[in-house]
Amino acid sequence: QSVLTQPPSASGTPGQSITISCSGSSSNIGTNYVYWYQQLPGTAPKLLIYRNNQRPSGVPDRFSGSKSGTSASLAISGLRSEDEADYYCGAWDDSLSAMVFGGGTKLTVL
Amino acid sequence: EVQLVESGGGLVQPGGSLRLSCTASGFTFSDHYIDWVRQAPGKGLEWVGRSRDKTNSYTTDYAASVRGRFTLSRDDSKNSSYLQMNSLKTEDTAVYYCTRVSSPPGRALDRWGQGSLVTVSS
Repeated sequence: QSVLTQPPSASGTPGQSITISCSGSSSNIGTNYVYWYQQLPGTAPKLLIYRNNQRPSGVPDRFSGSKSGTSASLAISGLRSEDEADYYCGAWDDSLSAMVFGGGTKLTVL
Repeated sequence: EVQLVESGGGLVQPGGSLRLSCTASGFTFSDHYIDWVRQAPGKGLEWVGRSRDKTNSYTTDYAASVRGRFTLSRDDSKNSSYLQMNSLKTEDTAVYYCTRVSSPPGRALDRWGQGSLVTVSS
């Protein structure tokens, strides 16, 4: 059971917008930055969002992150077939002295 | 170009040991923490541990599931991080990723290696 809670799956059609939630606690999301990682099928994960809402260079602005209290969200607008992947949220947990991840959300583009 | 290349994976029997290496290039290795993350077949990401830089006294942190069995070390002169895994269990079977940790503020895992598969089985 993961420390951070994500829905196991999400879906949308091309062009739609979707949001993936990530719920934590005061010792992780409530205190520290949230990161989002994208894992395309058969590949290593890649950093998608850092410091709650910042995009690394090369990440389209269709991807955005937000944080409020002990929860965070990843929004994807203008869904494309190439967005089909697993998405993971992560944050440092001060109580555990460990990085914690959500269980991952499998995004299907119908 | 930033690159992280893991090596040393393979098949090992329960109770055995294995040492993974991560060789980095394209950035100043000594300036960065290195984290290891694993992914069991068909499962999600699990953080394994963190190796800090000289400025932070090369301290380490580990996930509860591997503490006391796994040991992280690094050799900045060789741009390399090492994960020594002892007393391996079948549940340690996973792809192990070496990751670069970004400089503060925040510590994102901003670059990932391609992964090295470790299979623990008799």
